[in-house]
Amino acid sequence: DTEVTQTPKHLVMGMTNKKSLKCEQHMGHRAMYWYKQKAKKPPELMFVYSYEKLSINESVPSRFSPECPNSSLLNLHLHALQPEDSALYLCASSQHTAGMGGTDTQYFGPGTRLTVL
Amino acid sequence: AQRVTQPEKLLSVFKGAPVELKCNYSYSGSPELFWYVQYSRQRLQLLLRHISRESIKGFTADLNKGETSFHLKKPFAQEEDSAMYYCALCDTGGFKTIFGAGTRLFVKA
Repeated sequence: DTEVTQTPKHLVMGMTNKKSLKCEQHMGHRAMYWYKQKAKKPPELMFVYSYEKLSINESVPSRFSPECPNSSLLNLHLHALQPEDSALYLCASSQHTAGMGGTDTQYFGPGTRLTVL
Repeated sequence: AQRVTQPEKLLSVFKGAPVELKCNYSYSGSPELFWYVQYSRQRLQLLLRHISRESIKGFTADLNKGETSFHLKKPFAQEEDSAMYYCALCDTGGFKTIFGAGTRLFVKA
């Protein structure tokens, strides 16, 4: 399996709802990422997990809560979101040559399109 | 400050014409530069990275440290090259990737 998969493809939620986005890869990658992409804008990094530990948090509001339960799975838990959080949420993974002097190529999932009402 | 600049939002060329997508960067360390591409209804994917020095789908990009540029070039554009192209920068040995605003390439028949 050489793809990053994301579920659901689309999600509509109210501001009081709690929902989760799921990302999965079976390429043996040990770095996983969450990005937010607004319409006609580039992806913006939110979080990076390295060997299942949170490595980077780009000052993301606490209403977004990432979780990496194992090396293949990455979740993004959503609670009390705002309409401005509506966006395409992309997951990516990479081999994790960073830290050994290398820089990783990232493999992206298709994204979850989130709408907050 | 770390920054990737793609000055053209939209680039329109005729099939068979040369194409150059510009990318300039600002970074104090030792960056690695990438070009990612997103075709219609497909996921974002790597096109090429400067360290591999490969030519992918006829595209090449040369890192010019003096001009801090990493322009993407193809001598003869094809209609299937129409896509959104993002130049990206990553700190060597790091995880944080910064994307440029992107250039939409439209190749006309």
